[in-house]
Amino acid sequence: AQSVTQPDIHITVSEGASLELRCNYSYGATPYLFWYVQSPGQGLQLLLKYFSGDTLVQGIKGFEAEFKRSQSSFNLRKPSVHWSDAAEYFCAVGPYNTDKLIFGTGTRLQVFP
Amino acid sequence: EPEVTQTPSHQVTQMGQEVILRCVPISNHLYFYWYRQILGQKVEFLVSFYNNEISEKSEIFDDQFSVERPDGSNFTLKIRSTKLEDSAMYFCASGLQRGEAFFGQGTRLTVV
Repeated sequence: AQSVTQPDIHITVSEGASLELRCNYSYGATPYLFWYVQSPGQGLQLLLKYFSGDTLVQGIKGFEAEFKRSQSSFNLRKPSVHWSDAAEYFCAVGPYNTDKLIFGTGTRLQVFP
Repeated sequence: EPEVTQTPSHQVTQMGQEVILRCVPISNHLYFYWYRQILGQKVEFLVSFYNNEISEKSEIFDDQFSVERPDGSNFTLKIRSTKLEDSAMYFCASGLQRGEAFFGQGTRLTVV
């Protein structure tokens, strides 16, 4: 069955530190890949997406993600975290033969000053 | 920047009542979706809508649910007879191409 795994439920970093949020998926073919961010009480904002092509994808707010086919991973990175980045981050996959997105359980990011 | 808007932001309803959740997708988008997120759980796909018809639906989307795009701009989700377990945040989304989804802020539905 198709699935998305975000192994880290909760991550705490200091402001200015680098960040990497992990995402692994289980699917036979390369799906579409997404990262969303959700601030408390807010909707889901699309950070970046991968459909094909260059495996390093740039997104909004200084985030980037790298697709690694051999590892079935799509990890999200940011070189220097700001306090405003504190939120919940969701990885999602969209298998190419379906409309739906399958979401991971999310990683809650806490940022300390 | 264009965005998906949802109304109301919070709806409280009694069990057994009908509710309609409303959404205005981004104007040139072609694909429309409803998702829901029960408190503390994953975001789950409910239904997708393309070319004026349902293109895909999940097991959750049973006969109690229906969607409509009545006037070319609004996109609604109706729950005919709400149950306690329907309490969740409901997200509308739209996309210009298949597999892409821009989400609204959500409607928190509380069934009492």
